[in-house]
Amino acid sequence: IAGITQAPTSQILAAGRRMTLRCTQDMRHNAMYWYRQDLGLGLRLIHYSNTAGTTGKGEVPDGYSVSRANTDDFPLTLASAVPSQTSVYFCASSDSGYGGYTFGSGTRLTVV
Amino acid sequence: EDKVVQSPLSLVVHEGDTVTLNCSYEVTNFRSLLWYKQEKKAPTFLFMLTSSGIEKKSGRLSSILDKKELFSILNITATQTGDSAIYLCAVERNTDKLIFGTGTRLQVFP
Repeated sequence: IAGITQAPTSQILAAGRRMTLRCTQDMRHNAMYWYRQDLGLGLRLIHYSNTAGTTGKGEVPDGYSVSRANTDDFPLTLASAVPSQTSVYFCASSDSGYGGYTFGSGTRLTVV
Repeated sequence: EDKVVQSPLSLVVHEGDTVTLNCSYEVTNFRSLLWYKQEKKAPTFLFMLTSSGIEKKSGRLSSILDKKELFSILNITATQTGDSAIYLCAVERNTDKLIFGTGTRLQVFP
């Protein structure tokens, strides 16, 4: 299926636990992104990667890390989850970073 | 600080009504403005606008950009219940990161 696959779909996580959100795309897009979406705040960029092997910080990077070992995968890790990280997380990709992004279906994460 | 502001935050209309959603921006190194529709899950792409005054249309939806006044509008004519969604405006900079507005929640009732 062409597009972006995110996993898990939803997760309840105890505070202090480590969690990795998975994101895989099969469109061979160079650029990938992680956003979080919170009520009243819209979509905010956490981290991005312009190409495999490079990553950069977005607007709200604290508490999150990413890696881009290859073109297809862009996992997001919460080293020690806190309740303020309760959110819906979207992974997205774009071809050369220009034009419309393709979004995954999101991961709803609740940290308790 | 770069920002994208959408209005209204929320809109409730009846089927058949016409709605106009607004998006204003203050962004350095502007490259394009994009509109997305978000229903239950992933935002889906509607329009990308790069030039002022050129209307983009897709069925009952249309959008236009004013780069002098730094805003865009999204029009939906003859609304249907299936148009109920959050409409997101985003601005792309030359650094290729999208900045999103908070969205407009549209509810269309029969």
